[in-house]
Amino acid sequence: AQSVTQLDSQVPVFEEAPVELRCNYSSSVSVYLFWYVQYPNQGLQLLLKYLSGSTLVESINGFEAEFNKSQTSFHLRKPSVHISDTAEYFCAVSPNNAGNMLTFGGGTRLMVKP
Amino acid sequence: DVKVTQSSRYLVKRTGEKVFLECVQDMDHENMFWYRQDPGLGLRLIYFSYDVKMKEKGDIPEGYSVSREKKERFSLILESASTNQTSMYLCASSLKGARGYTFGSGTRLTVV
Repeated sequence: AQSVTQLDSQVPVFEEAPVELRCNYSSSVSVYLFWYVQYPNQGLQLLLKYLSGSTLVESINGFEAEFNKSQTSFHLRKPSVHISDTAEYFCAVSPNNAGNMLTFGGGTRLMVKP
Repeated sequence: DVKVTQSSRYLVKRTGEKVFLECVQDMDHENMFWYRQDPGLGLRLIYFSYDVKMKEKGDIPEGYSVSREKKERFSLILESASTNQTSMYLCASSLKGARGYTFGSGTRLTVV
């Protein structure tokens, strides 16, 4: 079984400041890793994912995440946030051996202040 | 793009009512899922289905049932709604073996 821990439930940050949203997981097998974003009153949208290859993955809106196998982490970063990045962010994992059941973390609410 | 459509964005129902939440996807996905989302608890899996007429319990199935008579439609049923089922309900789908889900916009259900 897998589990996901998002260490911060809320992250307040000023506009144009850098941000890191932390995600740690545990698993007895190799995993795929995902970050989803949920804007207010909407469903979840896939932000980025790691399946294989380069451990650094990027999204189209400037976020990036790095898979660190030794630390079992997949932290999400952005060097300069915008007001429009205000949302809830969910980290998720699935085993890469069979099936595709996702296990989600508890979510981190990013609050960008002007 | 794959589209997952949940029939209602907001619903208000009375305690004891039978409630149907509908979810339809348009890309021939085999897998469909129902989650509920509550503050501080994240997403919790209620039921999922890997094929037509097939269903599996998730982590919190009590008080819910599901129906999948057609591949594109996955319904969540609250047999007798209670106030503790007030929540945001999210439907998702994916291809068999795919990596990641596509979510609907959610239904915010209030039981009074």
